[in-house]
Amino acid sequence: KAGVTQTPRYLIKTRGQQVTLSCSPISGHRSVSWYQQTPGQGLQFLFEYFSETQRNKGNFPGRFSGRQFSNSRSEMNVSTLELGDSALYLCASSLSGPVDYTFGSGTRLTVV
Amino acid sequence: GENVEQHPSTLSVQEGDSAVIKCTYSDSASNYFPWYKQELGKGPQLIIDIRSNVGEKKDQRIAVTLNKTAKHFSLHITETQPEDSAVYFCAARVGGKLIFGQGTELSVKP
Repeated sequence: KAGVTQTPRYLIKTRGQQVTLSCSPISGHRSVSWYQQTPGQGLQFLFEYFSETQRNKGNFPGRFSGRQFSNSRSEMNVSTLELGDSALYLCASSLSGPVDYTFGSGTRLTVV
Repeated sequence: GENVEQHPSTLSVQEGDSAVIKCTYSDSASNYFPWYKQELGKGPQLIIDIRSNVGEKKDQRIAVTLNKTAKHFSLHITETQPEDSAVYFCAARVGGKLIFGQGTELSVKP
C-alpha cells in the first residue's frame, strides 16, 4: 500500500515569510498528526487532526496552524517564520490517535 | 510534567552482540509505549510497541520489556547486524499524543 506522502521534501524560506506543508495519509487513515523534529528539542507534537477537526494541540505558538480536508489530506502552515522554525516537519498517519503511527519522510524547512 | 528520558544517547556494538536501550517515563497514565527506528533521510519507522497490560513482547531479534511500577521500558536487540545502525526513539502515549525520548544513535560495527 502507498505510504504517507509529504511535500515538498525541502524548503528554504526567509524570515517573516509564511509556508504551507502538505501531508497525504495512508488510504483509510483518518488521523493525521504533525511533529517538529530538531537536534535540540527532539520530536515535539504540534497537533492532530481527525475527520477535519483539530482534536489535540501541542505547546506551539499560534503561528503554527493546520487543517484537514474531507479526503484526510492535511496541511500545516507557519506564518511569520523565525530562524528557530528550521526543522524537519513530520506527518504521522493512523486509523485513530497516536497508535500504530506511520510517518512520512518529512519536509526539511530551512529559514534564513 | 510530561517527560521521557532515554539512555544511552550513543551506543556502539560489534556485529552479533546485543544492544539495550532504556527509557523512563513520568506520566503514570501512559498506556502505550512504541519504539521507532529512524534512518538518515527518512521518517521514524515503528519497529515494536507494548501496551501497559503486557510485561514483555518479542518479535524475532527485538524485544521490549515494561515495568509499570518503576515506569521503565527497554528495547533489546539481539544478534545485531550492520543494518540495525540507526537512531532509535522510545515514546510514551500521553492523551492524544506521543512524548518521545531524545534518541539513541546505534552503531553496529562489522
